[in-house]
Amino acid sequence: GAVVSQHPSRVICKSGTSVKIECRSLDFQATTMFWYRQFPKQSLMLMATSNEGSKATYEQGVEKDKFLINHASLTLSTLTVTSAHPEDSSFYICSASLQRGNTGELFFGEGSRLTVL
Amino acid sequence: AQRVTQPEKLLSVFKGAPVELKCNYSYSGSPELFWYVQYSRQRLQLLLRHISRESIKGFTADLNKGETSFHLKKPFAQEEDSAMYYCALEPQKLVFGQGTRLTINP
Repeated sequence: GAVVSQHPSRVICKSGTSVKIECRSLDFQATTMFWYRQFPKQSLMLMATSNEGSKATYEQGVEKDKFLINHASLTLSTLTVTSAHPEDSSFYICSASLQRGNTGELFFGEGSRLTVL
Repeated sequence: AQRVTQPEKLLSVFKGAPVELKCNYSYSGSPELFWYVQYSRQRLQLLLRHISRESIKGFTADLNKGETSFHLKKPFAQEEDSAMYYCALEPQKLVFGQGTRLTINP
């Protein structure tokens, strides 16, 4: 099956700094990637849809300037949490689809746990 | 608006007993529904999707449009079925339910 890898798996940073999380599709080209956020004991909340070569589509309530998404190649999407604050601490998960448009089956990364001190 | 409801956050059954994880959805169009599973310390992965109508690891799920449900069932639970299960609805993007943590007791 298709493999999606996230890096780093854990990151701790000071308040006010920016953190970049990478999401790579290892053995396939992903025209569409999705970024989710998961709070403890809660479900996955879609933050944005990242399309290669175009601007990301953000969900309502997600700050574009806070969570910068770049999908510069067919195998890499990055999420940058800018000027991170303790309330940004969360588990961030990316997923990738083999198809543009309808998602069909999604392949998930391992997730990245961000802790902002 | 599309919504997925999994009414049980926790479900515990004994090994060999039948198990049913409930999922109800709200969507005005023709839905595509999925069950995703997350085993301990593993990533989320697809378990099954309604359009394929297949049984995976003994699990089945039938889409009931009249009741807007997509319950996941298995006649005889096994210990390795213990995991977090998410029901998901896909119009253009996946919408996840809250998840049900299934624990199979020996």
